[in-house]
Amino acid sequence: ELKVEQNPLFLSMQEGKNYTIYCNYSTTSDRLYWYRQDPGKSLESLFVLLSNGAVKQEGRLMASLDTKARLSTLHITAAVHDLSATYFCAVIYGGATNKLIFGTGTLLAVQP
Amino acid sequence: NAGVMQNPRHLVRRRGQEARLRCSPMKGHSHVYWYRQLPEEGLKFMVYLQKENIIDESGMPKERFSAEFPKEGPSILRIQQVVRGDSAAYFCASSYLQGRDTGELFFGEGSRLTVL
Repeated sequence: ELKVEQNPLFLSMQEGKNYTIYCNYSTTSDRLYWYRQDPGKSLESLFVLLSNGAVKQEGRLMASLDTKARLSTLHITAAVHDLSATYFCAVIYGGATNKLIFGTGTLLAVQP
Repeated sequence: NAGVMQNPRHLVRRRGQEARLRCSPMKGHSHVYWYRQLPEEGLKFMVYLQKENIIDESGMPKERFSAEFPKEGPSILRIQQVVRGDSAAYFCASSYLQGRDTGELFFGEGSRLTVL
């Protein structure tokens, strides 16, 4: 069974600082997604990573994928308060079903 | 192009009642997934459906829960005889054909069920 773990579970950081969220998964997969969720809201797709070594950047967020290490990172550069949210990684599991298995989530709180 | 539509957005039921949650996928999407999110937790896969077929229900509780995606109309997640532990946000997601795109799932706004 595929397990997806994120760390840290909670991250409090100051504006302007950099930090990285880690996502580890237990079995082979070649597709990984990052989502953002604001309180009481749905999930917003941030990045889709399709191959080993993939790197994508949008604004202050950058995501990468290492399929050999079964690791993805979400790097936050010069955080701002608007980035406060819960971030989930999710991995495709089961070729026929295409279902996503989600990580535990990282609650990010950016303090002024 | 409308996104994934879920209704109701909020539903309150008393223990023992039935809850029906509806999901209309994005136009052109024929794959529907249901996920449950308990408070302060991540999303847990429940069931994957295509039109008129249940493809994977490995995440569905064995009793009281059922799902369908008829040829016409929305997908429905039905919970019979609800208990307080069923209180959660239920998210529906849809996708286009596999292999034609990233397989990315697009999520609805969710239905938040509260059981009194």
